[in-house]
Amino acid sequence: NAGVTQTPKFQVLKTGQSMTLQCAQDMNHNSMYWYRQDPGMGLRLIYYSASEGTTDKGEVPNGYNVSRLNKREFSLRLESAAPSQTSVYFCASSGGGHYNQPQHFGDGTRLSIL
Amino acid sequence: ELKVEQNPLFLSMQEGKNYTIYCNYSTTSDRLYWYRQDPGKSLESLFVLLSNGAVKQEGRLMASLDTKARLSTLHITAAVHDLSATYFCAVDNTDKLIFGTGTRLQVFP
Repeated sequence: NAGVTQTPKFQVLKTGQSMTLQCAQDMNHNSMYWYRQDPGMGLRLIYYSASEGTTDKGEVPNGYNVSRLNKREFSLRLESAAPSQTSVYFCASSGGGHYNQPQHFGDGTRLSIL
Repeated sequence: ELKVEQNPLFLSMQEGKNYTIYCNYSTTSDRLYWYRQDPGKSLESLFVLLSNGAVKQEGRLMASLDTKARLSTLHITAAVHDLSATYFCAVDNTDKLIFGTGTRLQVFP
């Protein structure tokens, strides 16, 4: 049982390049989330999707876009990468709403912007 | 705007000792989660607290929730080295989680 799978695990970009981080879950969860984690800080929500076909901004959405491709997949795109976006990115999923379940996290993508 | 504060931010404990991590939050919520993160790893769910007065225990860890005080505690009993990790509380805000900054715990002999 894979749970939440993120690709790639590591990536180095140059300023101005674009890339898409992929996330897939096999738990039939309704809700999916993208977070970033910076040193000495907790996780901050970038975007989330409460259900297939819907997306909403979180705390730090600027510079990012997302796509909920289907129930399983939720991608995060950096259109023009900036050094301030160097971070570890985590995708998570949960049943959502009244399920009262914890979010399940992927292993993270370590992204460096030079 | 919901804010979540943890303290202490860093905790160095001797094996066998007890200690408590505190998680305060600024607005009403009745769902709170505790997670553990090992260095370079993902987050692992520890506890889900769903109502005022909820108490959950797993091994040497016990978590509680006081929604009236907007406070959750994570109590460590007789610490062992394997508990060394960073612990996060996260408060539900309409199906989104707001995380505390984390408490980095180091347990030494």
